[in-house]
Formats: sequence, C-alpha cells, structure tokens
Amino acid sequence: EAQVTQNPRYLITVTGKKLTVTCSQNMNHEYMSWYRQDPGLGLRQIYYSMNVEVTDKGDVPEGYKVSRKEKRNFPLILESPSPNQTSLYFCASRHPRGSTQYFGPGTRLTVL
Amino acid sequence: SQQGEEDPQALSIQEGENATMNCSYKTSINNLQWYRQNSGRGLVHLILIRSNEREKHSGRLRVTLDTSKKSSSLLITASRAADTASYFCATDVFYAGGTSYGKLTFGQGTILTVHP
Repeated sequence: EAQVTQNPRYLITVTGKKLTVTCSQNMNHEYMSWYRQDPGLGLRQIYYSMNVEVTDKGDVPEGYKVSRKEKRNFPLILESPSPNQTSLYFCASRHPRGSTQYFGPGTRLTVL
Repeated sequence: SQQGEEDPQALSIQEGENATMNCSYKTSINNLQWYRQNSGRGLVHLILIRSNEREKHSGRLRVTLDTSKKSSSLLITASRAADTASYFCATDVFYAGGTSYGKLTFGQGTILTVHP
C-alpha cells in the first residue's frame, strides 16, 4: 500500500530536549516536505527536499533541521524545542511533475 | 507566506444542499489542487486542475479555475454529513523544464459542516 508514515504520532517533551520525527515513504517520490499546522494559520511549509541531499527552506524553517540521506526518509529534527513549536506536523511526498501530494497521518507535538 | 486564501472560513449547511468554497491566489501557477482534511488527520487529495483548464469534475466535485482573476472554486453537490471536514486549496508553480518548484502553498482552509 502506498503510504507516508510518521513516528511518533504523539509526543510530549520539555523545552530544550532534542527530538527527531521520522518520515518515510514507499512510493519512490523525489519530493518530500514538512508542514506544521496551527489554528488560524493553515499549513505552513517548514522544509522541503527535491531529492537526496537536496533540501531547501520553506516558509517557517527557524528552529528546525532536516536531512535527506536516502530517498525514502526525511526526518525532521528539533535541536532545542521551544513551546512555540507545539503544533501538528505533517510529512508529505510526491513526484516532481505536479502530481498529487501524499500526506502522513500527522505528529502532534507538545513542548512544555 | 500563504498564497491561497479560502473563502468562507467556515460554512454550515444541511445535508443535500450544495457547498461552494472559493480560493484566491497571488502569483501565476501551473496547477491548483484541492485537499480535504478530517479533524486532526492527514490531508487527502481531491482534485487537480491545470492552468490551461477552466473546469473539472470528479463525482460530486466540480472545480473551476479563472487564471485572469487568480481564483478557483470547489463545489460539492448534494452534500452529505460525511463531507464534514476542512478543505484546502494548494497552488503549484513549475520551472520552465516542467517540474515543480517543490513546494505546494496552502491556504488557510474552509471548515465545512454538513448537518444531517
């Protein structure tokens, strides 16, 4: 089954404790993205990757890091999480030629 | 920054009625996509319309695109309670070679509630 998986689905952590949210897709997509969703602000792109070792900042990259060492994986790293990074995070993937974007189920992060 | 802006922000209708949501955007695009999100879950693709298309249908969905006005509308006909969800438009811009820039830009969404 074609899918994007994220782990963990729920995470409560404390300020400053480094964390990684994993994302994996099984569709051999070149493009992958991370979004955060906050009430009243819609989906905002954090980072995106157009292929292995090719990443670029989205609209709200501050406080986040990503890496793309393999085509299927695109982890999101918060080196020093802060309460304003409490949010619902989505990973997504798609082919380059303007096709459907597939979303993961989301990771609800709370930073205390 | 958000390219797409949906209107209305919230829409409440009775089962069987039609629901129309609008999306406006600022820059030239190659295609516009509509997604649906059930509460707190991942977004699901509904329909894609290319910049050279004016109207597209898929089941009970009808999408129009007016590139001169930089706007799109999504019509759901004969709505059902199960259509209750948030609906987002997303715009896509291509390089000259025909591949996407890589970032879909989403609007803030319309919350649709369909009462049984």
